[in-house]
Amino acid sequence: AAGVIQSPRHLIKEKRETATLKCYPIPRHDTVYWYQQGPGQDPQFLISFYEKMQSDKGSIPDRFSAQQFSDYHSELNMSSLELGDSALYFCASSLGLAGVGNEQFFGPGTRLTVL
Amino acid sequence: AQTVTQSQPEMSVQEAETVTLSCTYDTSESDYYLFWYKQPPSRQMILVIRQEAYKQQNATENRFSVNFQKAAKSFSLKISDSQLGDAAMYFCAYRSAHSNYQLIWGAGTKLIIKP
Repeated sequence: AAGVIQSPRHLIKEKRETATLKCYPIPRHDTVYWYQQGPGQDPQFLISFYEKMQSDKGSIPDRFSAQQFSDYHSELNMSSLELGDSALYFCASSLGLAGVGNEQFFGPGTRLTVL
Repeated sequence: AQTVTQSQPEMSVQEAETVTLSCTYDTSESDYYLFWYKQPPSRQMILVIRQEAYKQQNATENRFSVNFQKAAKSFSLKISDSQLGDAAMYFCAYRSAHSNYQLIWGAGTKLIIKP
């Protein structure tokens, strides 16, 4: 079965650079969530989209923006990168906001390292 | 705001034995969902088991079962016949049934399996 795809899997950037992370949800899934997991920490919710509209916003810095496109893939744009942005960024998808079975399916994550 | 607490940073168990991971949560909502996720060294986030708050019956998935105590706001995970492949970080997560569909995570418990 198709899973959530995230690209790139690994990304190394310098401070003050920009980064774009991509998420391709499971086919037919219309909802995407972004989470940030720092080293040794639990995931923190950043933002979510449902039917191409922002549905909820968490602890996403103003330097970050995101959107969901017509094909339901989503991109997280990160500017003026800081050392503290180094983390694993997860994307999850579901069918509808509540999700079938109320489950969010997670991608493998993008490991961002800021030097 | 909802919170999830995992008071055991690390647990260890002998292979083939049983271990219980604790999770408590705080919410004023009556309708919600609870999840246990497993994160092995690969850092892929894998759903282990889910529980709907309106269901009195405890969820079971093969060797994994939960003890859901709604009044006490407790949601523990029992792993029977522990296997080496169970070694991972285990996260307890909460999700509202009607709004703010993002997952709210506990800090995680590192499970070590002794051969």
